[in-house]
Formats: sequence, C-alpha cells, structure tokens
Amino acid sequence: GAVVSQHPSRVICKSGTSVKIECRSLDFQATTMFWYRQFPKKSLMLMATSNEGSKATYEQGVEKDKFLINHASLTLSTLTVTSAHPEDSSFYICSARGNSNQPQHFGDGTRLSIL
Amino acid sequence: SQQGEEDPQALSIQEGENATMNCSYKTSINNLQWYRQNSGRGLVHLILIRSNEREKHSGRLRVTLDTSKKSSSLLITASRAADTASYFCATAPKAAGNKLTFGGGTRVLVKP
Repeated sequence: GAVVSQHPSRVICKSGTSVKIECRSLDFQATTMFWYRQFPKKSLMLMATSNEGSKATYEQGVEKDKFLINHASLTLSTLTVTSAHPEDSSFYICSARGNSNQPQHFGDGTRLSIL
Repeated sequence: SQQGEEDPQALSIQEGENATMNCSYKTSINNLQWYRQNSGRGLVHLILIRSNEREKHSGRLRVTLDTSKKSSSLLITASRAADTASYFCATAPKAAGNKLTFGGGTRVLVKP
C-alpha cells in the first residue's frame, strides 16, 4: 500500500516552456503533499507544503509565482514550473502523507532538463 | 546549520558485512525517519521511530534513537548488493509542524 505516482519521470524542453508535474496518491488520501528539489548527490530541499483545498506554503527563497502548486483533491497535487530556464533543471520529487503521525511516501521523481 | 547530519557521507563494504550509519540533529523532534534512495529514483520509507522509542527493527534493519544525544543510527545487517543506495535520515522537528528535514545522506556501496 501507500503508493505515490509521479509523472512524467523525465522532461526535456526548451527555455521558456512551462512544465507541469503531477503527483497522485493511488491508495490513500493525502491530506498533505510536499514538493522537493534535489541536486546531484545532495539531499532533498523542501520547496513547499500543500494541504488539500488550501494555498501552498512555500519555503523561504522559493518563488511561488515560478513554482505554482495546486492541490485540488485528496489524491492529486501538481507543480507547474513556469517559464522554465536552464537553472530550473533539477530532480523534483513529491511526497504525500495521510496524517501527521504517518510517514511520507514518495513518488519516483521527475528529472527536468531545460535546454 | 543543518538539522539531520549524517555520518559517514559514504560507506563501502563487502556483501555480508554490516553497515552502520549515524544521524545527528539539533532540535526536539516528534519522530525520526530513515529513507533509502536508489540512484535517480524517489525515496523509499524504511522505518519511523517516535521520540519515546529507543529501538526499532524491520527485517535486517535496526534503528536506534537517543534523544539525550540527539542522534540515531541505522544498522543494515548481512548486507546485499541490492542494499547499494543512499540512505537519508529525516527529522520531524516539534516546531516545524508537518515538515521533514533531511540530512545529507550516506551513500552505501555493497560490493558483491
């Protein structure tokens, strides 16, 4: 159980394109979803926390207009990287959790490459 | 400085040997979690240990937690080549609400 599906797994696109990444909890209701960014051989950096039906809470230094997060249902959150540039190239990972006493379950990540 | 520092950063062992990695943190926590990440993939949850627990087992994994020293350890016994991965500790600080803070990770290489 506790499967989180994230797609696409890989995106290569031109500078200026907007890219949407989906994160779905397949067999549980995710009250809270998290979006992380990971640089090569580095740890995960939390970008934002989203609760179903409310606005996402962004971490310091993360541009909310650049990284649009929507958590419209208990099983789906999306991250849209708007007008992506090469410096946005990274590995983006989502996670989902039921309640605060439960662990986060992670998607398989999306490798974003902006040319 | 970072909550959740891991030691060592990298570990290379032979199959069958045990692997131990440590995690230190700075603030009071609700729980501490260990995750595994295979190269280019997402994280797989291994064990969650609550602040009132001292030790937890799951198969070949053993996790300890010492809240007085603000440290945790993950032991993988009888390692296998398939255990090759990066291992991260993540703390749920009491002051941080829902959020997890990840350590830098330990890259483990198990040689056949």
